[in-house]
Amino acid sequence: QKEVEQDPGPLSVPEGAIVSLNCTYSNSAFQYFMWYRQYSRKGPELLMYTYSSGNKEDGRFTAQVDKSSKYISLFIRDSQPSDSATYLCAMRENTGNQFYFGTGTSLTVIP
Amino acid sequence: IAGITQAPTSQILAAGRRMTLRCTQDMRHNAMYWYRQDLGLGLRLIHYSNTAGTTGKGEVPDGYSVSRANTDDFPLTLASAVPSQTSVYFCASRRDRSSYNEQFFGPGTRLTVL
Repeated sequence: QKEVEQDPGPLSVPEGAIVSLNCTYSNSAFQYFMWYRQYSRKGPELLMYTYSSGNKEDGRFTAQVDKSSKYISLFIRDSQPSDSATYLCAMRENTGNQFYFGTGTSLTVIP
Repeated sequence: IAGITQAPTSQILAAGRRMTLRCTQDMRHNAMYWYRQDLGLGLRLIHYSNTAGTTGKGEVPDGYSVSRANTDDFPLTLASAVPSQTSVYFCASRRDRSSYNEQFFGPGTRLTVL
């Protein structure tokens, strides 16, 4: 079993829809949780990060962490065609060098 | 230079050949990383360096070596390439390994080993 599981999709939604992206994990020591966006043929770029449990909102994006269920989510409100990309979740223990990434979910927002 | 640069952008390589992927950052970050990204497997850590002069092994280090002679450069070498090393390689850096700080990624190198 991989440390981090993420549904690869693909996910296709109409413009303006609410998108929900999710990851589950097995390591209870993970403390830092991140979402990256990766456009085609580009490197990942950080979108959101949270420490431990809770919610964090940034514009149209909301990240949620439920450590009791080992489950994290990213919500995108009023989705735009420019949101079309692959979204990667990542997480890390409090100490240590390794970031553990999900396989990524491919999202297409149709105008 | 702004951020992280990688070279080459893409490469086709014959099996058995030696290849060095270059990575340079201008942010004076202490920690640097090499990942490979494969369909269905996501990003996997190959090697890392917490500071100049030190390196460590990640999840998939076999067949790869790195060096960190200075803060800015972190080359990845494939001593004798094999087809299973066909992948997209990303270099990343962050200020240091303590607490939280953002990991920045380069644009990637697409490597095909035939």
